[in-house]
Amino acid sequence: GDSVTQMEGPVTLSEEAFLTINCTYTATGYPSLFWYVQYPGEGLQLLLKATKADDKGSNKGFEATYRKETTSFHLEKGSVQVSDSAVYFCALRGQNAGNMLTFGGGTRLMVKP
Amino acid sequence: DVKVTQSSRYLVKRTGEKVFLECVQDMDHENMFWYRQDPGLGLRLIYFSYDVKMKEKGDIPEGYSVSREKKERFSLILESASTNQTSMYLCASSLGYKGGRRGTEAFFGQGTRLTVV
Repeated sequence: GDSVTQMEGPVTLSEEAFLTINCTYTATGYPSLFWYVQYPGEGLQLLLKATKADDKGSNKGFEATYRKETTSFHLEKGSVQVSDSAVYFCALRGQNAGNMLTFGGGTRLMVKP
Repeated sequence: DVKVTQSSRYLVKRTGEKVFLECVQDMDHENMFWYRQDPGLGLRLIYFSYDVKMKEKGDIPEGYSVSREKKERFSLILESASTNQTSMYLCASSLGYKGGRRGTEAFFGQGTRLTVV
């Protein structure tokens, strides 16, 4: 079945540092890929998405590129802020999955001033 | 603005009580989901529904049931609450997968933190 693997956290960075959170997936066909963010005490919010190979999703300075050849969707940001401290989830919706989203385990990001 | 609303942010219940968690969406979505989130375990799917009165078990349905009598409302029921059901519960909704429509994300509610004592 479909699966998503993302790096374990916590990831601790200083403000203005470069961020990468790795995400790889296993799925048949051409899934759609998502990054969600969860701020403390809140539900999940969609951060960005990509629906086909080589698509780049971007939002709020975050970017991720759908790499079919490496089955990856790594999240990047050039300069993190304290307000980016949150848990980040990579997810996929399989081409034949019908209604299901499959989530990775989440990566906690802590940004220090 | 799209919305998924969960009836409570925080809930404290006693062991053995019957507990209802309510979720309402205003986006006319076909699909609705209940997840629980626990430290170190990520999100785990309890149940989902792809239409009114339809339901499918997720990964951890034991101890839970659901009800979907109207398209906009999806209820999670703990028949007899136990301390191991203390958790954060997240409701989500999404468009159905029809006619090749792809890339439709799920929208989440704010979560209900349930404590069973």
